[in-house]
Amino acid sequence: DADVTQTPRNRITKTGKRIMLECSQTKGHDRMYWYRQDPGLGLRLIYYSFDVKDINKGEISDGYSVSRQAQAKFSLSLESAIPNQTALYFCATSDFGGPVDTQYFGPGTRLTVL
Amino acid sequence: GQQLNQSPQSMFIQEGEDVSMNCTSSSIFNTWLWYKQDPGEGPVLLIALYKAGELTSNGRLTAQFGITRKDSFLNISASIPSDVGIYFCAGLTRGSNYKLTFGKGTLLTVNP
Repeated sequence: DADVTQTPRNRITKTGKRIMLECSQTKGHDRMYWYRQDPGLGLRLIYYSFDVKDINKGEISDGYSVSRQAQAKFSLSLESAIPNQTALYFCATSDFGGPVDTQYFGPGTRLTVL
Repeated sequence: GQQLNQSPQSMFIQEGEDVSMNCTSSSIFNTWLWYKQDPGEGPVLLIALYKAGELTSNGRLTAQFGITRKDSFLNISASIPSDVGIYFCAGLTRGSNYKLTFGKGTLLTVNP
């Protein structure tokens, strides 16, 4: 079984709809992240959480919100989806217990906003 | 914010050739990481570099942490078709609460 899972894997929605992307992990990591990937732009951080009570904005948080329901679950919401939020979204986890904060990525959710 | 300049943006090579890509930054990083993303998958960590000047290998992959702490390179020797994918560098600074800053990626295509 995958350590980091994302649901759904693909989603097509319409402008103005509320969308939730979910991420679950079985790695026991404290830290979780949401990124979006656009062609030619690499990965950009949307939000991150270092524990259940901690939520932090990343570099592109406008138009998004998150919820850390438990150590293992971190969801990303688009309150009112717009076409320029069409992208590939990745959840990642890390555990600051070693020499480096290495992030492990889920398989991604491809979101299309029409 | 911090930015990483990754080059080249894309490469088309023949199987068996060696490949080199690099990342530079105006900021100092404490750690450099190299990830690979296969089509339809999330990025996977290839190599982590912790000290300036460090040279680390992982099979046919070799990466170095630049002496100035502002750059890193990744070499792939004797490329094979499964090396196809997007390679990302990422830098980590302790002052940024351990967030990673990613380069924009190098798309590698290997012709059999």
